[in-house]
Amino acid sequence: DVKVTQSSRYLVKRTGEKVFLECVQDMDHENMFWYRQDPGLGLRLIYFSYDVKMKEKGDIPEGYSVSREKKERFSLILESASTNQTSMYLCASTLAGGPTDTQYFGPGTRLTVL
Amino acid sequence: QKEVEQDPGPLSVPEGAIVSLNCTYSNSAFQYFMWYRQYSRKGPELLMYTYSSGNKEDGRFTAQVDKSSKYISLFIRDSQPSDSATYLCAMSRTGNQFYFGTGTSLTVIP
Repeated sequence: DVKVTQSSRYLVKRTGEKVFLECVQDMDHENMFWYRQDPGLGLRLIYFSYDVKMKEKGDIPEGYSVSREKKERFSLILESASTNQTSMYLCASTLAGGPTDTQYFGPGTRLTVL
Repeated sequence: QKEVEQDPGPLSVPEGAIVSLNCTYSNSAFQYFMWYRQYSRKGPELLMYTYSSGNKEDGRFTAQVDKSSKYISLFIRDSQPSDSATYLCAMSRTGNQFYFGTGTSLTVIP
């Protein structure tokens, strides 16, 4: 079974702090994704990566950056956390884009910015 | 206009009922259609996957895609309390970037 793990389930940070969210997948998947999930807005794509050191902006990249130095690890960085970044953050991975590909999600990190 | 529209509910049904969940979409280029189930405080898990139009059945679950109407459905037969969760539809044009509905909250009452 594919396993996608996230470094923290719950995180509380202060405004202005730099925040790192880590995601690791153990199935040699090519693609990795970061979403945030908010009530009434659903899942919104922040960034995704097709390969090591490659990244593409999603729908809401402002205030975020990402890093993929190793294939199995995809990090989301909040350069200066703000209260409107309080949300559930979900990481996902897929083997590669194609007709039979589907996303596997991690358990999520609930981030609160005070 | 959002790419994907989904009624958030909440939906409450008695055990054993047939549940119908639906999404509409605006992008006719979508080819891949998925339903995810998300339990409280967990990440979404893939429930059903369909490519292009048609029906797909897996146990008590049936997914339908009507590309001409830009409408997809998930039917749950003989619903159980363990089916209580939020159901998310998702779709993709290429299989690389996915667009999600907001989710429908379902409660099955014993």
